[in-house]
Amino acid sequence: EDQVTQSPEALRLQEGESSSLNCSYTVSGLRGLFWYRQDPGKGPEFLFTLYSAGEEKEKERLKATLTKKESFLHITAPKPEDSATYLCAVQASTGANSKLTFGKGITLSVRP
Amino acid sequence: DGGITQSPKYLFRKEGQNVTLSCEQNLNHDAMYWYRQDPGQGLRLIYYSQIVNDFQKGDIAEGYSVSREKKESFPLTVTSAQKNPTAFYLCASSQMYVGYGYTFGSGTRLTVV
Repeated sequence: EDQVTQSPEALRLQEGESSSLNCSYTVSGLRGLFWYRQDPGKGPEFLFTLYSAGEEKEKERLKATLTKKESFLHITAPKPEDSATYLCAVQASTGANSKLTFGKGITLSVRP
Repeated sequence: DGGITQSPKYLFRKEGQNVTLSCEQNLNHDAMYWYRQDPGQGLRLIYYSQIVNDFQKGDIAEGYSVSREKKESFPLTVTSAQKNPTAFYLCASSQMYVGYGYTFGSGTRLTVV
């Protein structure tokens, strides 16, 4: 069974204090790992897709990396508007070929 | 603009009542999904459909029903058999290609009154 574990559950940072969010996964053949951002009361918004170990992608203050067992979302010099819940999901090569398995999310709070 | 629309944004249900949540997409996506989100629980899959007139149960299908009569539409009915329906419901769609992620709707918050 595919599993995704995100840590920590919640993270509080001071504005400008860089940190990383962790996503550990077990999957029967990884086809893609996805990061989403979710604001309160809204649907998740797509951030990144990573396909293979060693891959990295960047967008503004965010950088996602991937190894064979985990992914990190690095946040450099965060601002209060980066406060949100960040979801990680994996897509396996077996079973329903588009279905994603999600972690429980990491709630990030950035204080001014 | 292409997207996925959920309605209503807020919904109130009386005890013993069935309610239907709407989900429409104009992205020409083949697959559609319904998730339930509770605090601390993450996203839990209720039902999904990969083609018209076919759908599969997810992890928590009891007390819910769906239909897929059109590619664009995937309504979810929360029946009176669902004993704890208060939650945030999310609809998503995707193409059937590996490596293709979901596009989410904005969600419906259902409250039992």
